[in-house]
Amino acid sequence: AQSVAQPEDQVNVAEGNPLTVKCTYSVSGNPYLFWYVQYPNRGLQFLLKYITGDNLVKGSYGFEAEFNKSQTSFHLKKPSALVSDSALYFCAVREMSNQGGKLIFGQGTELSVKP
Amino acid sequence: DGGITQSPKYLFRKEGQNVTLSCEQNLNHDAMYWYRQDPGQGLRLIYYSQIVNDFQKGDIAEGYSVSREKKESFPLTVTSAQKNPTAFYLCASSFPQGTGGSYNQPQHFGDGTRLSIL
Repeated sequence: AQSVAQPEDQVNVAEGNPLTVKCTYSVSGNPYLFWYVQYPNRGLQFLLKYITGDNLVKGSYGFEAEFNKSQTSFHLKKPSALVSDSALYFCAVREMSNQGGKLIFGQGTELSVKP
Repeated sequence: DGGITQSPKYLFRKEGQNVTLSCEQNLNHDAMYWYRQDPGQGLRLIYYSQIVNDFQKGDIAEGYSVSREKKESFPLTVTSAQKNPTAFYLCASSFPQGTGGSYNQPQHFGDGTRLSIL
């Protein structure tokens, strides 16, 4: 069965510094990986996805993610953090089964960017 | 603008009462999903529908029911059998996944309904 783990409940970064939000996955076959962001009392917004191809995926709002097959990781990165990046971030993997291609989510990582 | 509309934003349920959460999309998506979000637990799938007049149970369907009479609409009913309904409920939609579709399509989410018990 597919699964995804986000090992950090919270990440604290100073504005202007690079940020990394970690994600590891377990899949059988090729992984379909996604990152979403959630602001308070809002739905999830799609940031980026990895399907195949380049290991560095670029997404919305200056975010990118690095796919590493040997380490089964898909870490979210941004070179220079903004206070407005503070939010809850979810990594997800596509369930390759009859369950409608459902997404399996990590438990989320709270990112806090301080001025 | 296309999107997903969930209503109401806040909902309160009395003991023994069924409540219905609305989800409407104008993205022309065939697939729709309901998730439950609890603090520290990520999102868990309640029900999903790949096409009109068809829906399937997800991981935590007990105490919930859905219908899919129109492509645009996928309402969720939280029944009195759901003993712990307090949560944030999120509706999502996408193009079809899996056979006949593509696994690389992201899901688009509404802004959620927060359900509490009175």
